Amino acid sequence: DTAVSQTPKYLVTQMGNDKSIKCEQNLGHDTMYWYKQDSKKFLKIMFSYNNKELIINETVPNRFSPKSPDKAHLNLHINSLELGDSAVYFCASSQSGPGGEQYFGPGTRLTVT
Amino acid sequence: ILNVEQSPQSLHVQEGDSTNFTCSFPSSNFYALHWYRWETAKSPEALFVMTLNGDEKKKGRISATLNTKEGYSYLYIKGSQPEDSATYLCASPGGNYQLIWGAGTKLIIKP
Repeated sequence: DTAVSQTPKYLVTQMGNDKSIKCEQNLGHDTMYWYKQDSKKFLKIMFSYNNKELIINETVPNRFSPKSPDKAHLNLHINSLELGDSAVYFCASSQSGPGGEQYFGPGTRLTVT
Repeated sequence: ILNVEQSPQSLHVQEGDSTNFTCSFPSSNFYALHWYRWETAKSPEALFVMTLNGDEKKKGRISATLNTKEGYSYLYIKGSQPEDSATYLCASPGGNYQLIWGAGTKLIIKP
């Protein structure tokens, strides 16, 4: 029983394409997050959702848009992909916001060619 | 926005030795301090979430202490084993559901 799952695990696509990464958690958590592991291997918060409301939106390009059809899902849609978008993207969830420990998905390695 | 800093950036330890490293954070408006272990090609896994000054938590050979008044936490590993090799991250809430992450300490255990 995977707690936080992401699909796909690997995604190779060309510049200019639009792609989505899906995330689902079966932990009953009320907050979900998207992180980007940058080129220096640092973990950078992109978005978080609490009860389907966007709570934070870091300085990410508006080509990135989170979509949450329900509390258990937070998908990441990326328009007009650029070479610099190549990275590993992690989804995570927690209960009651940042006070609760976060459970991470396995990551999606996005490669833009 | 607060800064969470970790030191050292990387650490090589002989198998069997004990080690420790530091996470520092602003002590004002403290809410919680998280420690995570992040193995290569995997995703971060939570070790501890600490909230009380003076708190000490333990999981097997790994333990952590917390000083909220001076703004630091130590992570200790006793009798290091090769499977302890990983990047250890600390993080603290910065408000508005934002968790501020340190850059991590990369621990390499030499057999």
